[in-house]
Amino acid sequence: GQQLNQSPQSMFIQEGEDVSMNCTSSSIFNTWLWYKQDPGEGPVLLIALYKAGELTSNGRLTAQFGITRKDSFLNISASIPSDVGIYFCAGQLGYGGATNKLIFGTGTLLAVQP
Amino acid sequence: GAVVSQHPSWVICKSGTSVKIECRSLDFQATTMFWYRQFPKQSLMLMATSNEGSKATYEQGVEKDKFLINHASLTLSTLTVTSAHPEDSSFYICSARAFGSLNTEAFFGQGTRLTVV
Repeated sequence: GQQLNQSPQSMFIQEGEDVSMNCTSSSIFNTWLWYKQDPGEGPVLLIALYKAGELTSNGRLTAQFGITRKDSFLNISASIPSDVGIYFCAGQLGYGGATNKLIFGTGTLLAVQP
Repeated sequence: GAVVSQHPSWVICKSGTSVKIECRSLDFQATTMFWYRQFPKQSLMLMATSNEGSKATYEQGVEKDKFLINHASLTLSTLTVTSAHPEDSSFYICSARAFGSLNTEAFFGQGTRLTVV
């Protein structure tokens, strides 16, 4: 199935450091979403982006919808141990019919050392 | 956010048997539910899209006769893995989107770990 390119694949950082990860696609998306998944759990939505150029924050998390609509990034500031997990981006082409589905990125594993 | 509940959380079954996984939207009506499969250290791969009252739409390469999907009500979709084999062992996750919502936010269940022995 189709996947988005997400980087980096993994990150090992010290508590307090900032983190940045991004997703790129060859297709244009109308919506970008960022999820966090803990082991053995389903993904939890962190941030949703609906407009090209949109910059949205959720606490220490900030995400942006790229101008070209083919990319997005997620920043985490002042990381803490509970930020550990796998982060996925997801893109959606449209709102109806076959374009309603989400395409997921390959994931970024984040490890935070106290 | 809205709550989506999956049952069971984990299941172990013998090869050749069938297993049913339920996905329920607890506090909203879901016209569309999605079923994903996730292998260890990999991303979520969409298997099928399920719309209430109609046949599911399967992704390329997913056998519809093996993975039976039923979306009989606005709050329940089921995935049945028929004649399961060890290679079907995986983490299965559903998500649901609210009725009448153009918003792309889909809420995920907690997943079902299937192990076929």
